Amino acid sequence: EDKVVQSPLSLVVHEGDTVTLNCSYEVTNFRSLLWYKQEKKAPTFLFMLTSSGIEKKSGRLSSILDKKELSSILNITATQTGDSAIYLCAVGSATGRRALTFGSGTRLQVQP
Amino acid sequence: DAGVIQSPRHEVTEMGQEVTLRCKPISGHNSLFWYRQTMMRGLELLIYFNNNVPIDDSGMPEDRFSAKMPNASFSTLKIQPSEPRDSAVYFCASSLGAGGGEKLFFGSGTQLSVL
Repeated sequence: EDKVVQSPLSLVVHEGDTVTLNCSYEVTNFRSLLWYKQEKKAPTFLFMLTSSGIEKKSGRLSSILDKKELSSILNITATQTGDSAIYLCAVGSATGRRALTFGSGTRLQVQP
Repeated sequence: DAGVIQSPRHEVTEMGQEVTLRCKPISGHNSLFWYRQTMMRGLELLIYFNNNVPIDDSGMPEDRFSAKMPNASFSTLKIQPSEPRDSAVYFCASSLGAGGGEKLFFGSGTQLSVL
């Protein structure tokens, strides 16, 4: 059974701080790792990492995949209050036809 | 594009009643997923369809839950009879692919409360 563990479960920081969120996984025949941001309701896509694309960056957000350590990190620099959300990590398998498996998420709160 | 559309946004019902949740996937997407989110268990897959055919329903809790996809633009998730432990946010998502790690697009969810 595929498994995704995220840490920390929650985090409170001040505006301007840099944060690192962690995701570790166990999956049969890894295909992809995805990060989502969930503010009020619907999770919205941030990044997809694969064996051919282990590092992604968009503005203040960046993510790296470590296939050797079976993990990924999501970095947010110069945090803003608008970054407050739950960040979800999910993994996909290339074996069979299986949907993404999600972790429980990291709740980030950025204080002014 | 309108995105994934779910209805209703909120549903409050009494234990024992039937509940039907609805989803319209993004046009052209060929896979549809139903997830449930709770504080305790996070996002859990209930069932997913590819080309309107159920592929993996191992996450459906029990016989009280059923899902259908009669055509490429519509799916329902039904709970009968509902119980308080079914209270959760139910998300529908769609993707362009056969399942197996592609990017999912989520609807806004249905907040279900069973009293």
